[in-house]
Amino acid sequence: KQEVTQIPAALSVPEGENLVLNCSFTDSAIYNLQWFRQDPGKGLTSLLLIQSSQREQTSGRLNASLDKSSGRSTLYIAASQPGDSATYLCAVDTGRRALTFGSGTRLQVQP
Amino acid sequence: DAGVIQSPRHEVTEMGQEVTLRCKPISGHDYLFWYRQTMMRGLELLIYFNNNVPIDDSGMPEDRFSAKMPNASFSTLKIQPSEPRDSAVYFCASSAEKNEQYFGPGTRLTVT
Repeated sequence: KQEVTQIPAALSVPEGENLVLNCSFTDSAIYNLQWFRQDPGKGLTSLLLIQSSQREQTSGRLNASLDKSSGRSTLYIAASQPGDSATYLCAVDTGRRALTFGSGTRLQVQP
Repeated sequence: DAGVIQSPRHEVTEMGQEVTLRCKPISGHDYLFWYRQTMMRGLELLIYFNNNVPIDDSGMPEDRFSAKMPNASFSTLKIQPSEPRDSAVYFCASSAEKNEQYFGPGTRLTVT
C-alpha cells in the first residue's frame, strides 16, 4: 500500500526566503505526482503535475522535482511571499487514478 | 471554464437524516472522484467514476454511503442515515487524460 509522508508538518519563514518542502512515498511505481495548495476553509488548487517520465516541472516561482528511484519529490518556492502562506499537499497516482495524499506542510511566511 | 462545482457549500443536519451532495465536473473530463477530508485521517478517496461508470468504491465507508453519476455533467454522493462521525469536508474532483485532478470548493458537512 502506497504511503506518502511530508516533512516538515509546519514551517515558518521570513518573507523573501527560498524554501523546500519535502514529500516521500513508499512505492516507486508511480504514474504521476501532483502538488496542491490548500488555503484555510478552501478547496485544493493544483500547482504542478510531474509525470513519471519527468524529473521536474516549473511554474513561476515554483519548481517541483521527482526522483522515483529514491521515492522523493521536493517543491521549491523562490522568494517567498506572505501570500504563499497555505498548506501544501503532495499526492501520488500509482496508476489506478485515485490519489494518495500526504498530510501536508503548513507554511507561514512572515512579512 | 467554471471549474468543478459543488453544492451545497455547507450542510448541517441531524443524525439519521439523509444528506445528498452534488457535483458538476469540468466539461470534457471523463474521470470524477469523491474524497473526504478530516483532521484525523486527512484526504481519503471514497469512490471514482470513469465515463459515468463506478470503477473503485473501496473507500466508501459502509452501506450508508452511495454515489451515482447519471450523466457526464452530474454526480451525487448520498449518506442515509447520516451519523455524527460523517462530519467532514467532502470534495469532488475531475480529471482528463493525464489525471491532473481539479478539485471543487468542497461541502462542509456537520451532523449533530
